[in-house]
Amino acid sequence: QLQLQESGPGLVKPSETLSLTCTVSGGSVSSSSYYWGWIRQSPGKGLEWIGSIYYVGNTFYNPSLQSRVTMSVDTSKNQFYLSLSSVTAADTALYYCARHESLLGTFDSWGQGTLLTVSS
Amino acid sequence: EIVMTQSPATLSVSPGERATLSCRASQSVDINLAWYQQKPGQAPRLLIYGASTRATGIPARFSGSGSGTQFTLTISSLQSEDFAVYFCQQYNNWLTFGGGTKVEIK
Repeated sequence: QLQLQESGPGLVKPSETLSLTCTVSGGSVSSSSYYWGWIRQSPGKGLEWIGSIYYVGNTFYNPSLQSRVTMSVDTSKNQFYLSLSSVTAADTALYYCARHESLLGTFDSWGQGTLLTVSS
Repeated sequence: EIVMTQSPATLSVSPGERATLSCRASQSVDINLAWYQQKPGQAPRLLIYGASTRATGIPARFSGSGSGTQFTLTISSLQSEDFAVYFCQQYNNWLTFGGGTKVEIK
């Protein structure tokens, strides 16, 4: 059974860069059938798609976050990553990683989420 | 960006009753619309895709309808495990979510 697990620092200072990891088990990020995405959830903005990556490294970002987002994948570790620069309090949220079958598609498997707080 | 608006924000329903949730898109998304259920402390779970197709393992009491800009999720007879927050998501033009409808016990 596919499982996704997010990990990250929990607390990041304003203006710094947050880095999150999603570890996939029970499946492979190298599968040509899926994309791997990041979604965040905050009380103020609800659910927001951040971006997605394909196993060969093609990336697709939410236009509203594109200037600050970088995603990457490490097939040898079965992990993919999110980097968000110049964070502010508005980036405080629960961050999920998830799988989707097509870029313009639905998320059929999700991690449990990792809470990220931006505070000095 | 396509804005998804859900209504009502909160729906109070008695167990066994029908619940009808609405989702409106700021422009047409054809039938590229999904519904998710989220319970406290859990990630969202996919219920419906293609506006009306139930995902694997989803009970028949969940049904979706609509196309273009207006969509509905109906839960025909609410069970105790159905009290949760429901989100719609469009995937016609990038990916955006609605703000959610909380279905609570009346």
